[in-house]
Amino acid sequence: DAKTTQPNSMESNEEEPVHLPCNHSTISGTDYIHWYRQLPSQGPEYVIHGLTSNVNNRMASLAIAEDRKSSTLILHRATLRDAAVYYCILRLRVMDSNYQLIWGAGTKLIIKP
Amino acid sequence: EAQVTQNPRYLITVTGKKLTVTCSQNMNHEYMSWYRQDPGLGLRQIYYSMNVEVTDKGDVPEGYKVSRKEKRNFPLILESPSPNQTSLYFCASSYPGQLSPLHFGNGTRLTVT
Repeated sequence: DAKTTQPNSMESNEEEPVHLPCNHSTISGTDYIHWYRQLPSQGPEYVIHGLTSNVNNRMASLAIAEDRKSSTLILHRATLRDAAVYYCILRLRVMDSNYQLIWGAGTKLIIKP
Repeated sequence: EAQVTQNPRYLITVTGKKLTVTCSQNMNHEYMSWYRQDPGLGLRQIYYSMNVEVTDKGDVPEGYKVSRKEKRNFPLILESPSPNQTSLYFCASSYPGQLSPLHFGNGTRLTVT
């Protein structure tokens, strides 16, 4: 069964880069890697996704290992507003009409001022 | 503002008393889904809908019903709530496809006594 593994928590200083790792050794060729984050008392928020190549957007970068068994979410300059639980997720196509999300346990990111 | 709106945010009820949690999105998304979030279990899909009048079961549908009579609304119905349905519930919507980000509501915390 597909699953993801993440560290329970990480700490970083404000204005420094943060690298959040995720292992997904059981990933299959058509599974997309998605990252969401959840701020306190809010629903999950989309961050970034990728399949094979590294990806960048305004929020973060996603580095995907060549064998796709792991990935790293990179926040280039973390701010206090980035403190959240970050989820590494595999998005699987299970039928023509549905896409299952396999959620990791999440990494609680603590930003120190 | 593009958003998914859930109501109520908090709900305390007693076993067996029918309740409905509403979900509405203003992004013209075809795909909508309900999840429950429990400690240590991540988000688990309850029901999903690919479009109006098209719904199907997710991973944990027992004890829940849904309807999709309009594109923007996707209510979650608990005909006879039980204490094991105490949880944090999220509604989400997106365009169809494995790449489309999910937009989540802010959640409904349900307690069944």
